[in-house]
Amino acid sequence: DIQMTQSPSSLSASVGDRVTITCRASQSISNFLNWYQQKPGTAPKLLIYAASSLQSGVPSRFSGSGSGTEFTLTITSLRPEDFATYYCQQSYSTLVTFGQGTNLEIK
Amino acid sequence: QVQLVQSGAEVKKPGASVKVSCKVFGYTFTRYGMHWVRQAPGQRLEWMGWINAGNGNTKYSQKFQDRVNITRDTPASTAYMELSSLRSEDTAVYYCARGTSARGFMDVWGQGTTVTVSS
Repeated sequence: DIQMTQSPSSLSASVGDRVTITCRASQSISNFLNWYQQKPGTAPKLLIYAASSLQSGVPSRFSGSGSGTEFTLTITSLRPEDFATYYCQQSYSTLVTFGQGTNLEIK
Repeated sequence: QVQLVQSGAEVKKPGASVKVSCKVFGYTFTRYGMHWVRQAPGQRLEWMGWINAGNGNTKYSQKFQDRVNITRDTPASTAYMELSSLRSEDTAVYYCARGTSARGFMDVWGQGTTVTVSS
C-alpha cells in the first residue's frame, strides 16, 4: 500500500494566519492527491482534488500544490470556521489510503 | 440537491454481521460509484472498498476483502456495505462517499453510521 504521512500532526494558529500542511507519499503518485476537511462529529468535506483543483463552493483561501511525493495544502487568512482536521488522500492506487490527519487548533 | 442518507446506528455482538445502507438523492445513481470509508474513534479515515453503481463491479481493500461485501439496488438508488465476523476493533463510524471511480476523489459524503461491537 502507498503510505501517506502528514506534517505536522497538530498545529496551533490564530485567525488571520497563513498555514501550510504537508503530505508525503511513500512513492510517486503524480497528482493523484486530494484534501479533505473534517469537523468533529461530521463527515469529511472535499476541498482540493488532483493536487491543486479547488472543489466547487470551497473558498479561494484554500489552495493545493505539489506532485510526485510531496504536496501542500495552504490556507491563507484563517477564519474561525477553518479550525478542523485535514486529511490528504492518494487516489493513484486502487488501494486508496489517507494520511493520519492534521488537527488545526486555535492558538 | 445531491445527498447521501445512511441508515441508523447499530449495536452488534462479536461474530455478528452488520449491513449499512446509503440511499442517494439528487443525481442518477448509476452514473457514479460509491466508496465506503470507516473511522474508528480517534483514528484516521480507512478505505474499505468501492462499487461501480452502473455495472456492480467492486474493488476491496485487502484488509477487508474476506469480510466485506458491497452491493447495490439500482431501482432503489441505494448502496449497501455488509461487514461480517465483527470484532470490537470494528467499532467505528462508517461512511459512504460518492466517487466516479475506484481511483478518485470523494465529492459527496453520507452523514455516517455508528457501528458499535460489544458483548
